[in-house]
Amino acid sequence: DAKTTQPPSMDCAEGRAANLPCNHSTISGNEYVYWYRQIHSQGPQYIIHGLKNNETNEMASLIITEDRKSSTLILPHATLRDTAVYYCIVQLYNQGGKLIFGQGTELSVKP
Amino acid sequence: NAGVTQTPKFQVLKTGQSMTLQCAQDMNHNSMYWYRQDPGMGLRLIYYSASEGTTDKGEVPNGYNVSRLNKREFSLRLESAAPSQTSVYFCASSEVEWGQYEQYFGPGTRLTVT
Repeated sequence: DAKTTQPPSMDCAEGRAANLPCNHSTISGNEYVYWYRQIHSQGPQYIIHGLKNNETNEMASLIITEDRKSSTLILPHATLRDTAVYYCIVQLYNQGGKLIFGQGTELSVKP
Repeated sequence: NAGVTQTPKFQVLKTGQSMTLQCAQDMNHNSMYWYRQDPGMGLRLIYYSASEGTTDKGEVPNGYNVSRLNKREFSLRLESAAPSQTSVYFCASSEVEWGQYEQYFGPGTRLTVT
């Protein structure tokens, strides 16, 4: 079973920040939080991952709470092309890369 | 640099027929994976190969076999297709850096079994 809980859907206005929450209350100390997205039935695309520090790359920022029980993916200036299903996944270090996908959050960016 | 490629893109089979889905990656990754995605669902891992010469079962391996032909190629075989195997199949590859994995996915094969 997936170890994460995400809202099934969210809306965001174009140009505004999209904040996607994820609950992973049973996460263990050596599990990473990964975010992927899937645009219109294409293959999923890696976005970002982190262990306990906040992370930022050219696509997004990842904020992990101090107790690591939840995290938020931030798309700073959402565009229509960011409309996708976003998956939050926890993955044990050195587990052969096996990803357990949940249902994800369907983000709709609206003009 | 094509990344991960999959063939065919679409396939229709009759119940009981067999077929092999092909996957290749040109990123020199050690690990490769096969997932399936049913309508409205997240992906589920079928099989994976942590390195050339090794394969292991994922969440839903029944009805499938795999072959890691070499470092580049990882194939998925359906010996006797069933309607329950109607799905979109994704192949992925990754490399390990400090135990952290970023997976790269192919475009998928859309399979219908009638």
